[in-house]
Amino acid sequence: DVKVTQSSRYLVKRTGEKVFLECVQDMDHENMFWYRQDPGLGLRLIYFSYDVKMKEKGDIPEGYSVSREKKERFSLILESASTNQTSMYLCASNQDRSRSPLHFGNGTRLTVT
Amino acid sequence: SQQGEEDPQALSIQEGENATMNCSYKTSINNLQWYRQNSGRGLVHLILIRSNEREKHSGRLRVTLDTSKKSSSLLITASRAADTASYFCATATNAGKSTFGDGTTLTVKP
Repeated sequence: DVKVTQSSRYLVKRTGEKVFLECVQDMDHENMFWYRQDPGLGLRLIYFSYDVKMKEKGDIPEGYSVSREKKERFSLILESASTNQTSMYLCASNQDRSRSPLHFGNGTRLTVT
Repeated sequence: SQQGEEDPQALSIQEGENATMNCSYKTSINNLQWYRQNSGRGLVHLILIRSNEREKHSGRLRVTLDTSKKSSSLLITASRAADTASYFCATATNAGKSTFGDGTTLTVKP
């Protein structure tokens, strides 16, 4: 079974801090994704990556960056956290970008105060 | 607006009844997926139906896809209290991006 592990379940950070959210998958998947989930807005794609050292902007990339130095790890970086980035962050991976379902981690609930 | 939009937003039924959720989308798709999310957790994949398929079954789940109407439905038969969760549809394009709707919150009362 595919396992996608997000490093933290809950995180509380202060405004202006640099925040790192880590995600690791153990099935050698090519593709990895970061979503945020907010009530009434569903899941929105922040960034995704189809290969190591490769990244593409999703629908809401502003205020975020990503890093994929190794195939199994995809990091989401909040350069300077703001209160409107308080949200549930979900990492996902799949093998075939257009044919495979997504496998999700359990999410990181981030609160920025 | 969201590519995949679920209807209804909330559904409350008794154990043993069937639950039907609908999803509409706007653009051409490669496939459509249904996911389940228990409160505060990640999403779990249920069924993927390709654009050239019309119906798919998995246990108590039945998914239909009508590409001419750009719509899909998820039917859960003989529901159980453990089916209580939020259900999302997601549409995937050939470029590989999956777009999610806001979900349907299902409550199954024992």
